[in-house]
Amino acid sequence: NAGVMQNPRHLVRRRGQEARLRCSPMKGHSHVYWYRQLPEEGLKFMVYLQKENIIDESGMPKERFSAEFPKEGPSILRIQQVVRGDSAAYFCASSLGTGPNEQYFGPGTRLTVT
Amino acid sequence: QQPVQSPQAVILREGEDAVINCSSSKALYSVHWYRQKHGEAPVFLMILLKGGEQKGHDKISASFNEKKQQSSLYLTASQLSYSGTYFCGTDPSNTGKLIFGQGTTLQVKP
Repeated sequence: NAGVMQNPRHLVRRRGQEARLRCSPMKGHSHVYWYRQLPEEGLKFMVYLQKENIIDESGMPKERFSAEFPKEGPSILRIQQVVRGDSAAYFCASSLGTGPNEQYFGPGTRLTVT
Repeated sequence: QQPVQSPQAVILREGEDAVINCSSSKALYSVHWYRQKHGEAPVFLMILLKGGEQKGHDKISASFNEKKQQSSLYLTASQLSYSGTYFCGTDPSNTGKLIFGQGTTLQVKP
């Protein structure tokens, strides 16, 4: 499967727990973007990463959220001490390069906080 | 900063045409179009670059007027499979950081 992979597809967490969402980009892609989609709403940019670097995290809440894209392995979006308002679909997209390149989305992780 | 899409929703019969518009208040480097079906990931349709170009494949095409900061998506002879929510994503900073519109819901009926 050469597409963008995300896991888990569904994640249920109780308030206060941690959520870890993983994204493996398409083969050959080294740029990863994370977006959040609340129910019945559009996609909101969260963070843009290249291997080992955070390029733009302007869309990410300052507290509890962090992201990384290590030299080896998938990109990880981490949410600490989750609250009900974090319930959403989290999508990652990957591209070949920065700027006007096609971004391909993964299937998403649907996080439910109970 | 969020682009504005119009219309918000449209209902068509199979074989009819539709146009979805996307307007931005900021200068754009590119516009990206996606279709998303309920509960699924957005699917890339096409990207239009600064320079006022038009693109198309099959019966879906799009244009980008950079002077007006507007893009339009044209769906001709619509099929049932075209149903879904269409999003435009604009890139005002040329980093690939996309700012998405609120979406246009398209329903094609037999």
